[in-house]
Amino acid sequence: DIVMTQTPLSSPVTLGQPASISCRSSQSLVHSDGNTYLSWLQQRPGQPPRLLIYKISNRFSGVPDRFSGSGAGTDFTLRISRVEAEDVGVYYCTQATHFPRTFGGGTRVEIK
Amino acid sequence: QVQLVQSGAAVKEPGASVMVSCQASGYTFRNYAIHWVRQAPGQTPEWMAWINGGNGDTRYSPKLQGRVTLTRDTSASTAFMDLTSLRSEDTAVYYCARVGEPTGTFDYWGQGTPVTVSS
Repeated sequence: DIVMTQTPLSSPVTLGQPASISCRSSQSLVHSDGNTYLSWLQQRPGQPPRLLIYKISNRFSGVPDRFSGSGAGTDFTLRISRVEAEDVGVYYCTQATHFPRTFGGGTRVEIK
Repeated sequence: QVQLVQSGAAVKEPGASVMVSCQASGYTFRNYAIHWVRQAPGQTPEWMAWINGGNGDTRYSPKLQGRVTLTRDTSASTAFMDLTSLRSEDTAVYYCARVGEPTGTFDYWGQGTPVTVSS
């Protein structure tokens, strides 16, 4: 199975400041169809996960533009340009290029 | 709007089975797949299986192969997940999630169904 490694484990951030989360996969996530199926999910406390970013850098419907994704191959990054109180939660990267789909260990974003 | 509504919480004894349902609305059920993901307390999500809403094709995680079965009722836009031979390690919140174009990933999620396995 593809191992997805996220860093940091926890990210205390001051409101209005940026945050960055890294995700590294054990193999390239470039699919034979040319797409890279790397996405980012947000999970607020007590809630199901919510899709933020798909195929590396595409924001899903309704996602604020302070969220952005970048990367290629095996290294990916989620950035929050200015953290707001509602961004508190755990963020997961997940891949759908290889079977079975796998998730990173999660990064907790909290307010300092 | 797209909604996935799951059945309620369940408490089961070891060795029993559990069935969780996931009723979809707000889109054409046949045009998307439904995936099942579970999340043990304090753990990262774990992908379990998926079913093609159109032709009913399924694929299962090797870890759960033989214990999980997915079915669907297209007339009711509902997917079902049946997990047998329950053990304590199966205690988790079970989610259904829609997958399709253009995202290729879990774009809408059910609210989750807590399943507790305990004697």
